[in-house]
Amino acid sequence: EAGVVQSPRYKIIEKKQPVAFWCNPISGHNTLYWYLQNLGQGPELLIRYENEEAVDDSQLPKDRFSAERLKGVDSTLKIQPAELGDSAVYLCASSSGGPSYNEQFFGPGTRLTVL
Amino acid sequence: AQSVTQLGSHVSVSEGALVLLRCNYSSSVPPYLFWYVQYPNQGLQLLLKYTTGATLVKGINGFEAEFKKSETSFHLTKPSAHMSDAAEYFCAVTETSGSRLTFGEGTQLTVNP
Repeated sequence: EAGVVQSPRYKIIEKKQPVAFWCNPISGHNTLYWYLQNLGQGPELLIRYENEEAVDDSQLPKDRFSAERLKGVDSTLKIQPAELGDSAVYLCASSSGGPSYNEQFFGPGTRLTVL
Repeated sequence: AQSVTQLGSHVSVSEGALVLLRCNYSSSVPPYLFWYVQYPNQGLQLLLKYTTGATLVKGINGFEAEFKKSETSFHLTKPSAHMSDAAEYFCAVTETSGSRLTFGEGTQLTVNP
C-alpha cells in the first residue's frame, strides 16, 4: 500500500513569490493534516480536514496561507506571498478516522527555502 | 491545554548501551501518547503508542515506553542501542482520537561505535 505522497520534495523560491504544496493521502483515509516543522523543532498543526471540511484551522495564518481539499482526497497548501520565516518543512499526514484511535501516517515532507 | 517536554535535545550513547529518552506531558484528560522517529530528510514514523490498557507499551525496533500517570511521563527506552537507531525522536500527545498531535521539540540520538 502506498504511503502519503507529497510533492515537491524541495522548493526554493524568492520572498514575496507564491508557492504551493500537494499531498495525496493514503487511500481511504478521511482525515488529512498539514503540519509545519521548523528546524530543530517538533511539527505543529496548521490545518486538519475531515473529508473536504476544514475542522481545525486555528493555527493557519490566514493572511498568507490557504488550503483546500476539494474532493475529500488530495489537498493543496498555498502560501502567497512567501516570507523568509516560512522556510521550513511542510508535512502532510493522514488517518482513517473512526471510533478508536487512528494512527497518523506522515509523508516525507516538502522542504521550503525562501531566499 | 496539552503540552510535551522532552528533556535533553541531544543524547549520546555507545553502541550496545541503554537508550533512555525522557518525555513529560501535561493534559487535562487521559492522554493518548506517542513516540515518533524521524530520519534525515524523511517523514515521521510511529515507534509506539499508548491509548488505553497496559501501561508498558512495546514498539518497533526493540523500543518500549511506560506510561506513568503519577509522574506524567512516557519515557522511551531500548536495552541495547544500535548504530541504526541514530535519528531524531519526538514524543507527542493528543487528548482526542484523530485530533491534532502536540509534539515535543525532539531529542537527537547519537550512537557512538
